[in-house]
Amino acid sequence: DVKVTQSSRYLVKRTGEKVFLECVQDMDHENMFWYRQDPGLGLRLIYFSYDVKMKEKGDIPEGYSVSREKKERFSLILESASTNQTSMYLCASSASTQGPSTDTQYFGPGTRLTVL
Amino acid sequence: AQKITQTQPGMFVQEKEAVTLDCTYDTSDQSYGLFWYKQPSSGEMIFLIYQGSYDEQNATEGRYSLNFQKARKSANLVISASQLGDSAMYFCAMREPGYSTLTFGKGTMLLVSP
Repeated sequence: DVKVTQSSRYLVKRTGEKVFLECVQDMDHENMFWYRQDPGLGLRLIYFSYDVKMKEKGDIPEGYSVSREKKERFSLILESASTNQTSMYLCASSASTQGPSTDTQYFGPGTRLTVL
Repeated sequence: AQKITQTQPGMFVQEKEAVTLDCTYDTSDQSYGLFWYKQPSSGEMIFLIYQGSYDEQNATEGRYSLNFQKARKSANLVISASQLGDSAMYFCAMREPGYSTLTFGKGTMLLVSP
């Protein structure tokens, strides 16, 4: 059974704090993704990684960084948290492909982050 | 430009009835993939069904089927025999060739009443 886990379901931080969100997958997937989800805006891609130590910016990378030191783990870092980063954060992973395929993304349970 | 459009912010259906959730997409590629995900109130995104652009038949997975009309660029999700547990947010998404990423629509909230 596929499994993506996230370190916290709920997190409350103060403005200016450094925040780490951890994601681990056990499916040996090459690709990993971080999204944020806000009401009325759907899912927006922050960063993704297609290999260890590789990263690519998504649609809204400002204010975030990522780290992928091991294949199974992808971390999202908020260097200095701000109130406008209060959101639901979703991690996902998928297998790599050279052509059209299902390439289904499997998601973790999400982390609801509140920045005060 | 928005690539995935879900025009229904919310839908209501009675238990045991069928419901169709609309999705239209925009791409100039001939090869692409379309996905539907369910997000219950717990927050986790659950993969439901996939349709490849070259698939000749509409995809089906249990009570879920995808009404794929390529010329109209639509990929509507049909849920048959709705259950109370189907109440959730539903997202349509597209993957284009050469990309690992998905583009999501804004979602449709489905409420199933007894």
